[in-house]
Amino acid sequence: EPEVTQTPSHQVTQMGQEVILRCVPISNHLYFYWYRQILGQKVEFLVSFYNNEISEKSEIFDDQFSVERPDGSNFTLKIRSTKLEDSAMYFCASSEAQAGEGYTFGSGTRLTVV
Amino acid sequence: AQSVTQLGSHVSVSEGALVLLRCNYSSSVPPYLFWYVQYPNQGLQLLLKYTSAATLVKGINGFEAEFKKSETSFHLTKPSAHMSDAAEYFCAVRAWGGGGGNKLTFGTGTQLKVEL
Repeated sequence: EPEVTQTPSHQVTQMGQEVILRCVPISNHLYFYWYRQILGQKVEFLVSFYNNEISEKSEIFDDQFSVERPDGSNFTLKIRSTKLEDSAMYFCASSEAQAGEGYTFGSGTRLTVV
Repeated sequence: AQSVTQLGSHVSVSEGALVLLRCNYSSSVPPYLFWYVQYPNQGLQLLLKYTSAATLVKGINGFEAEFKKSETSFHLTKPSAHMSDAAEYFCAVRAWGGGGGNKLTFGTGTQLKVEL
């Protein structure tokens, strides 16, 4: 069964450093997403990406965040200057065009900012 | 805009007993509804989805859910709990158009504990 692959599975970074989280969505999917889950809290939408541009973003997704699809397979989330409160599990997901299809989520990257 | 409310952040059942996890939604347009399961330190796995076809939806691992428009509910059930069902369960809604974009909006989750 096709999978969404995320790397790394764990990342520890110092406050103020830049991090890039990487994702390989399912190849025939057209929509790509990032979500995050702070420990013990619900899964929150960050951003959706379609046709090489951001289609929607939440209030969490401020100027410190950016996304990119640098080639035909990867989808990245960059946090320019990490803060302690950025510590969370970050999930990448992809979906086909139809609204009725659920997303396929990756297994997540646990980001710890120290 | 859409939202999901999951009643009960923790549910405990005995092995072999009925599992009932509650989810109520709010959506300005006909919704698509999903249940995801998250095992410890793992990602989100799709259990089942409602996409405006049959109102009773069967998913993996013996789970099913019934869409009830009149009650704006999409409760998750399983006739007989197994120890391996212990996990966190998330209800989510996706509203195509109606100002909701294409994103999933999740509930706060219900932690299911299964006891011997």
